[in-house]
Amino acid sequence: DQQVKQNSPSLSVQEGRISILNCDYTNSMFDYFLWYKKYPAEGPTFLISISSIKDKNEDGRFTVFLNKSAKHLSLHIVPSQPGDSAVYFCAASASGNSGYALNFGKGTSLLVTP
Amino acid sequence: GAGVSQSPSNKVTEKGKDVELRCDPISGHTALYWYRQSLGQGLEFLIYFQGNSAPDKSGLPSDRFSAERTGGSVSTLTIQRTQQEDSAVYLCASRLGVDTQYFGPGTRLTVL
Repeated sequence: DQQVKQNSPSLSVQEGRISILNCDYTNSMFDYFLWYKKYPAEGPTFLISISSIKDKNEDGRFTVFLNKSAKHLSLHIVPSQPGDSAVYFCAASASGNSGYALNFGKGTSLLVTP
Repeated sequence: GAGVSQSPSNKVTEKGKDVELRCDPISGHTALYWYRQSLGQGLEFLIYFQGNSAPDKSGLPSDRFSAERTGGSVSTLTIQRTQQEDSAVYLCASRLGVDTQYFGPGTRLTVL
């Protein structure tokens, strides 16, 4: 049962434009959300996170927005760069559940074209 | 090294054989997790270790899977009598406190 869903398997964006990656979740107990970036043959790399007590967190070119009522979060990358091309995974965890074990979406493959 | 390391990076085995996958977490990280990513899927939680407490095995798919963590550091994931559906990338992550999980590069397991 997929509790975290990324409905867009792929996304193509021009360099300099905004990339918006979306994620939906079904478990209302989730209280911590993360985005990971993954290159081929490498492990996921932490990108940015947000606690359920916030609705926005910003780190440089990356901003994560959380809409708890809609059980939706999104990652904005502005401006997009070719080096951002990778698979992006949305993940969520619940306090006290298997030590904050992460529930992952299936990922969105982002391609940033020059 | 500064990050999580895993070995081997690739493992090809025959159906029915046992395999052992190793994870060296970041020094000082008390929490360790195993996940796997099957083709076209997201990462799936397998097992969680916290300090010297009994592990949380709730994600293990069958009793052919087991893991141990010696001395609160290195962990080994063992799959007995491997099946073709066990083919996946097995990822280890470690965490300090309530901070973010940091992942290793993974072991790609192929069961023929």
